[in-house]
Amino acid sequence: GAGVSQSPSNKVTEKGKDVELRCDPISGHTALYWYRQSLGQGLEFLIYFQGNSAPDKSGLPSDRFSAERTGGSVSTLTIQRTQQEDSAVYLCASSLEGDTYEQYFGPGTRLTVT
Amino acid sequence: KQEVTQIPAALSVPEGENLVLNCSFTDSAIYNLQWFRQDPGKGLTSLLLIQSSQREQTSGRLNASLDKSSGRSTLYIAASQPGDSATYLCAVRTGANNLFFGTGTRLTVIP
Repeated sequence: GAGVSQSPSNKVTEKGKDVELRCDPISGHTALYWYRQSLGQGLEFLIYFQGNSAPDKSGLPSDRFSAERTGGSVSTLTIQRTQQEDSAVYLCASSLEGDTYEQYFGPGTRLTVT
Repeated sequence: KQEVTQIPAALSVPEGENLVLNCSFTDSAIYNLQWFRQDPGKGLTSLLLIQSSQREQTSGRLNASLDKSSGRSTLYIAASQPGDSATYLCAVRTGANNLFFGTGTRLTVIP
């Protein structure tokens, strides 16, 4: 079946602008995760959604970052007033509910802030 | 906080060789460990998932082992091929709602 999809694949924006990144998880996966991959930083967790529970936002680096998940499926990560240090690849993953299930990753969105 | 380390950071081997990638983690209270590969400019592809109660998992030419008490995992690749060239990442799942990733091993298999 279809995997995790993300859009856009690449996004170039000017410093100070807002951006929205989209993730479509695998159908039936109730858990959704956002990660960021920066040069020299590796992969870091941003936010986690599980069903109707309150999201775990513990990884968001600042209040300029927010995310929502509508109808338990599609998720949007929003970065307001982008800064150059926000340049990174943003990866989305989904899994079945529970700690033992593997996470499946999308291809990512490469964000460049000029 | 969980720290995940991968050694070596980069590895070059001639085609046909067997090789081992290493992953270590500081907190042994994990739910599972997952190995991924990442090709340049691409997302992550899951290779193997080992639950905390398991010792190893195999898929084709890949074999991953887990020694939870010592905080170590290895990924063994048999008869390496140029198509195996990629960055390999290990990640552990703890009680938190996310994976903790290592910084990866960049593998180059020379034809």
